[in-house]
Amino acid sequence: AQSVTQLDSQVPVFEEAPVELRCNYSSSVSVYLFWYVQYPNQGLQLLLKYLSGSTLVKGINGFEAEFNKSQTSFHLRKPSVHISDTAEYFCAVSGNTGKLIFGQGTTLQVKP
Amino acid sequence: GAGVSQSPRYKVAKRGQDVALRCDPISGHVSLFWYQQALGQGPEFLTYFQNEAQLDKSGLPSDRFFAERPEGSVSTLKIQRTQQEDSAVYLCASSLGTQSSGNTIYFGEGSWLTVV
Repeated sequence: AQSVTQLDSQVPVFEEAPVELRCNYSSSVSVYLFWYVQYPNQGLQLLLKYLSGSTLVKGINGFEAEFNKSQTSFHLRKPSVHISDTAEYFCAVSGNTGKLIFGQGTTLQVKP
Repeated sequence: GAGVSQSPRYKVAKRGQDVALRCDPISGHVSLFWYQQALGQGPEFLTYFQNEAQLDKSGLPSDRFFAERPEGSVSTLKIQRTQQEDSAVYLCASSLGTQSSGNTIYFGEGSWLTVV
């Protein structure tokens, strides 16, 4: 079975500060990893995904994530956040079935 | 269409009422997924279609939930005899490829169901 744990339910941060949203996963098979963002009253939008190759993945809106197999982690980072980054962020894993298993989500609150 | 379209966006149902939620995936997308997202939680998988075939319905919480995709495009999620615990956002998603890992899955904006 696969599972995803997002270690922080809320992350408050000041504008222009760096941020890291933590994600750990467990799986008995090779996985593919994803980060999605959900703005209020909207659907999920893909930020980035790791399939294979380079462990550092760059996504949209200046976000990046690093796959660490030994630590079973896929933390999301941004060097300088904007007010507009305030949203819910979901880490997800998929294995050989193709369906996504999501974490509980992390609320990023960017303060001016 | 340009994206995954869901209707209705908002639905209030009385307990015991049947509801039907519609999903129009991106044109040409083979795979279609339904997820349920309770307030403050991550989305949870309900069911998966490859074209018209329902290949995985392991996430459907009870036999009151039924999904179909008869012509391999539009899908309907039906909930019979709704209960208060069915209140959630129901997300539809589609992807171009078949049930293989790594394909980008595109989500609709969801149907918000409130059972009173």
